[in-house]
Amino acid sequence: DGGITQSPKYLFRKEGQNVTLSCEQNLNHDAMYWYRQDPGQGLRLIYYSQIVNDFQKGDIAEGYSVSREKKESFPLTVTSAQKNPTAFYLCASSMDRGDEKLFFGSGTQLSVL
Amino acid sequence: GENVEQHPSTLSVQEGDSAVIKCTYSDSASNYFPWYKQELGKRPQLIIDIRSNVGEKKDQRIAVTLNKTAKHFSLHITETQPEDSAVYFCAASYSGGGADGLTFGKGTHLIIQP
Repeated sequence: DGGITQSPKYLFRKEGQNVTLSCEQNLNHDAMYWYRQDPGQGLRLIYYSQIVNDFQKGDIAEGYSVSREKKESFPLTVTSAQKNPTAFYLCASSMDRGDEKLFFGSGTQLSVL
Repeated sequence: GENVEQHPSTLSVQEGDSAVIKCTYSDSASNYFPWYKQELGKRPQLIIDIRSNVGEKKDQRIAVTLNKTAKHFSLHITETQPEDSAVYFCAASYSGGGADGLTFGKGTHLIIQP
């Protein structure tokens, strides 16, 4: 699986704990995104970054934080403020801020212990 | 903001038959409509997209049609095969606005019966 890599595949969070999901891409894409996928729901945008050192809140940013220190990397932290974190998290990238075509990673399933 | 409704949520068809999944959108300014396929345990992948300057686009066994007046678009899969079993998501956005403008439907689970 080249292109965009997410790790770990499965992650468990204890109450009150922050956890960080990794997303790395080698596509030389400028823009990166984090989506949350719940059963029977569409993909909902958490955060996105159109360029290094810049990011914007999506539709459901509360309880999450991100950073974009390198073009290749866009980690997502699920904080203790996110009261319902159990979901499948998908990272994606697109060539630049104007490109609508998304390339997705394989996802991380986060569960609460 | 944009609202995308997708139907049905589950669709079961016999292998070899056709399948049709429909989406409606609310924002008349939307002009880019992609479809993503997510096989079980795998990443979503773009399978076809259409822009509002065309009414239909085909790629082998899949096609997408767009009715701008009615604000709906559909995915058509002909001669379905077992590998077509997956969840399909439609989406809508304003072209050139970037992927952050995409609004996704809730998905259709397509089951191909042998």
